[in-house]
Amino acid sequence: DTAVSQTPKYLVTQMGNDKSIKCEQNLGHDTMYWYKQDSKKFLKIMFSYNNKELIINETVPNRFSPKSPDKAHLNLHINSLELGDSAVYFCASSQGLTGGAYEQYFGPGTRLTVT
Amino acid sequence: AQSVTQLGSHVSVSEGALVLLRCNYSSSVPPYLFWYVQYPNQGLQLLLKYTTGATLVKGINGFEAEFKKSETSFHLTKPSAHMSDAAEYFCAVSEGGTGFQKLVFGTGTRLLVSP
Repeated sequence: DTAVSQTPKYLVTQMGNDKSIKCEQNLGHDTMYWYKQDSKKFLKIMFSYNNKELIINETVPNRFSPKSPDKAHLNLHINSLELGDSAVYFCASSQGLTGGAYEQYFGPGTRLTVT
Repeated sequence: AQSVTQLGSHVSVSEGALVLLRCNYSSSVPPYLFWYVQYPNQGLQLLLKYTTGATLVKGINGFEAEFKKSETSFHLTKPSAHMSDAAEYFCAVSEGGTGFQKLVFGTGTRLLVSP
């Protein structure tokens, strides 16, 4: 069983389109994250949810809207896609909220290419 | 705010040679420190972490790292490199304590292993 899964794995789309990426974890974790990894491999947190509540929003354009229907799912919707949105997007999850010692489990990533 | 510096975007070693990947951190409070590995086209996987206690931490696949507070370092080592160790390695830091703490990643070091 895959611990953290993402769909789709690859996404190629044109500028101006709207797209969604879905994430599911079966680890029973309370906290989920979206990260963006750029072409230079730099990894930066975008959002974090704890028990379906948004707790981190890192100066991400409001074209990006996360949604957490339940603790096991965290989706990312992107409106009006731009060339600069091309990246690999990773979903992750961890147990608990307190402190920063918990291991994060990462999904396989979604490679988004905007043409 | 915490930050991480990884010296060397690429490190090349021969199979069987010592692996040393450098990481220095900045944190205003005692940090939690992590090393993650990313194999091609995959998500990140935890190698090891330091939270409290023993400063020499052993991880998976024969890797270890030593927390040196006086040097604000957390370098990753492995006595003998294998071809399968070729990957991207990320050092990360979060601030210790209670409450939610985000994980801040370094820019990564690509390890190349030659026969």
